[in-house]
Amino acid sequence: DAKTTQPPSMDCAEGRAANLPCNHSTISGNEYVYWYRQIHSQGPQYIIHGLKNNETNEMASLIITEDRKSSTLILPHATLRDTAVYYCIVRVQAGANNLFFGTGTRLTVIP
Amino acid sequence: NAGVTQTPKFQVLKTGQSMTLQCAQDMNHEYMSWYRQDPGMGLRLIHYSVGAGITDQGEVPNGYNVSRSTTEDFPLRLLSAAPSQTSVYFCASSLTGGYQPQHFGDGTRLSIL
Repeated sequence: DAKTTQPPSMDCAEGRAANLPCNHSTISGNEYVYWYRQIHSQGPQYIIHGLKNNETNEMASLIITEDRKSSTLILPHATLRDTAVYYCIVRVQAGANNLFFGTGTRLTVIP
Repeated sequence: NAGVTQTPKFQVLKTGQSMTLQCAQDMNHEYMSWYRQDPGMGLRLIHYSVGAGITDQGEVPNGYNVSRSTTEDFPLRLLSAAPSQTSVYFCASSLTGGYQPQHFGDGTRLSIL
């Protein structure tokens, strides 16, 4: 599975969009981008995943660049409850469903 | 629907003691796994199972045993606890492999003195 690089921390004003970047320059053609978050030492929570098209669900949007070397998770209207560590994970969509977590981005939503 | 249930939530052990961390899921998921998380770090995979009777090692399996006799349960055993195993342990489950989102339990916080 390809490695990912994320900034260690970010701040976002409450009500504004939070844009969390992820670099995965060594991603291969059959690897997907997944995002999970971990709120205050709880178990991680799945957010969204995608291959090459932009994806949106009730929680967030995922924008993947055309060359697939980077992506951005967008929380459209951040709330205080979105304060968490966000993990970007790249893996093939086959075989055992094992996840390899890095250290993620700690997002702090500021009132 | 309880999801993934881990017990106990907290445990303190002495070096050399043994114990079993319990994990149960009620979603009929075939895939289950155990992770540990040390302070300031991401989760690391210990062991995983793709179905009843099938287990395999993850990234950091040493010092841990697992078994999967039923679909619902995936216990993690520490045979002789060591201070280096002080960590937060998370159990996760999903439908079989692939892209299925994983559901995590609330964790077991384990201290080895």
